[in-house]
Amino acid sequence: AQSVTQLGSHVSVSEGALVLLRCNYSSSVPPYLFWYVQYPNQGLQLLLKYTSAATLVKGINGFEAEFKKSETSFHLTKPSAHMSDAAEYFCAVTNFGNEKLTFGTGTRLTIIP
Amino acid sequence: NAGVTQTPKFRVLKTGQSMTLLCAQDMNHEYMYWYRQDPGMGLRLIHYSVGEGTTAKGEVPDGYNVSRLKKQNFLLGLESAAPSQTSVYFCASNLGLPYNEQFFGPGIRLTVL
Repeated sequence: AQSVTQLGSHVSVSEGALVLLRCNYSSSVPPYLFWYVQYPNQGLQLLLKYTSAATLVKGINGFEAEFKKSETSFHLTKPSAHMSDAAEYFCAVTNFGNEKLTFGTGTRLTIIP
Repeated sequence: NAGVTQTPKFRVLKTGQSMTLLCAQDMNHEYMYWYRQDPGMGLRLIHYSVGEGTTAKGEVPDGYNVSRLKKQNFLLGLESAAPSQTSVYFCASNLGLPYNEQFFGPGIRLTVL
């Protein structure tokens, strides 16, 4: 069984400040991990993914995430928030040979001008 | 490429009515998925398909049926709609293992009165 926990259903940061969205996973086998972003009234689009190569993964729009096995975490960061980053962010987990993704409950990011 | 498209965009049903939601993809993907998104619950998998002519149950399959008669199409049916099925429905597809990244459609907003 696998699961994802996203701490904080709502996160607010000031424009220009660090963005940190937390994701912890549970998996009995090595995981593949994903971050997706959903803008209002749109579908999800992939930000970045970890599939057992480099533990620091860079994605689109200046986001990155670090896989930490000892902490079972895959937190998403961006050094400087932009107004256009306001969206909902989902962490997801799967593993090799598994055709299904398990999603977290999402974190809504608000950017304060 | 249109990617993943979903029809219709919005729909209001009365309790007990039936309808079919259509998902189409033009990327020659093997795997297709139907999710529902409800506030605070993330995305939950309803049904999925790993190839033409195959279907499988996800996390919340009750009250829904699916068919994958053609590789590019995945239909989700509600035989007798209930208010609990009010949700936003997303379709996704991917190439199949080991390509785990899923590509999402824009969603269908369904209200059951």
